Amino acid sequence: SQQGEEDPQALSIQEGENATMNCSYKTSINNLQWYRQNSGRGLVHLILIRSNEREKHSGRLRVTLDTSKKSSSLLITASRAADTASYFCATGGGSYIPTFGRGTSLIVHP
Amino acid sequence: DSGVTQTPKHLITATGQRVTLRCSPRSGDLSVYWYQQSLDQGLQFLIQYYNGEERAKGNILERFSAQQFPDLHSELNLSSLELGDSALYFCASSVGVAGNTIYFGEGSWLTVV
Repeated sequence: SQQGEEDPQALSIQEGENATMNCSYKTSINNLQWYRQNSGRGLVHLILIRSNEREKHSGRLRVTLDTSKKSSSLLITASRAADTASYFCATGGGSYIPTFGRGTSLIVHP
Repeated sequence: DSGVTQTPKHLITATGQRVTLRCSPRSGDLSVYWYQQSLDQGLQFLIQYYNGEERAKGNILERFSAQQFPDLHSELNLSSLELGDSALYFCASSVGVAGNTIYFGEGSWLTVV
């Protein structure tokens, strides 16, 4: 299995600010996925970026992938209080099993 | 709504008991995954089934077992429960055997007292 590790562990910002969180991994991947988890709820898939892509957008989300550094970042622009959640990355490809780190806990203050 | 259904949503049981958690995957998905989430261990992969057969095993205790039935629903059996088994148990599903987006259910909260 392959595991992503998110950084920072916790992030606290004001509404309207941008939030950036990072993910590092150790082995080659075919794709990397970001998920969001509201407290006590299931994980919700946000975006998937393939290893041959460098950047992907979805609404206020921007994901980058640097396979040479084995890292990815998730940027949430113009954060809202509703973005308060934990964010996880999961690496994928081949016969992998999606495994998750401890996530980044994001708090957006209104 | 991810389309993955888990029951029960909550259960409280005593140490030493046995419980069964049930999962119905999204329509058309052949893979089912089970994860355990606790405060100290984070989100741990337990086991995966694909089209009725065990595909991969993670940090699953011998006291735990799972199966996937011909209609593709899955059950996770937890026996000889200990206080440390208290956690949120997630089922997830995907179309293929690997490399796809996986979709999570809302989880089953297990409290062992």
